[in-house]
Amino acid sequence: EDQVTQSPEALRLQEGESSSLNCSYTVSGLRGLFWYRQDPGKGPEFLFTLYSAGEEKEKERLKATLTKKESFLHITAPKPEDSATYLCAVQQSGGSYIPTFGRGTSLIVHP
Amino acid sequence: NAGVTQTPKFQVLKTGQSMTLQCAQDMNHEYMSWYRQDPGMGLRLIHYSVGAGITDQGEVPNGYNVSRSTTEDFPLRLLSAAPSQTSVYFCASSPQWGRSDTQYFGPGTRLTVL
Repeated sequence: EDQVTQSPEALRLQEGESSSLNCSYTVSGLRGLFWYRQDPGKGPEFLFTLYSAGEEKEKERLKATLTKKESFLHITAPKPEDSATYLCAVQQSGGSYIPTFGRGTSLIVHP
Repeated sequence: NAGVTQTPKFQVLKTGQSMTLQCAQDMNHEYMSWYRQDPGMGLRLIHYSVGAGITDQGEVPNGYNVSRSTTEDFPLRLLSAAPSQTSVYFCASSPQWGRSDTQYFGPGTRLTVL
């Protein structure tokens, strides 16, 4: 059973069409939740860390939020250059600090 | 700074062959790790190191060996390649263990085992 589930698997948007990506997790205690962006053929690039429910982080057109069971990555007025796969990972508190990654959401933004 | 570098970018092996994937970082990071990424699955940790001379197993260590003789280098060895090891391998580094928010990934090595 996956501890980290991302949805949808794939998302196609028109330029300017805002939407949200979801990351739900089932770990018993959360130390941190992380969002990464991964471009084709490249390694993941860190975007945000969230530590507690209610926390929000923003970067350009991206805003990440966290509740006790899930995180959302909101994309406002996306541009084609936002096309990428977005990965979510969680670290469980009291554990070995090994992060558990979700399978990712592939986002394509059409001009 | 070059960041995290990996060589080779692509590799094709036959079953039973051995090889070493190279990883180097020039940021003086203590923590380094190896992940594999397979279609339809999340990144999975293979091995990690919290400093020179110290290594430990991740989620999927079987079939892989690592060593950390210097802060900069963290090679991953496949002793006898199997088709199940066909994957994209990423090396990552971080200033300290447990800080995923500051984890920097390399560009990856795409490995095919026939």
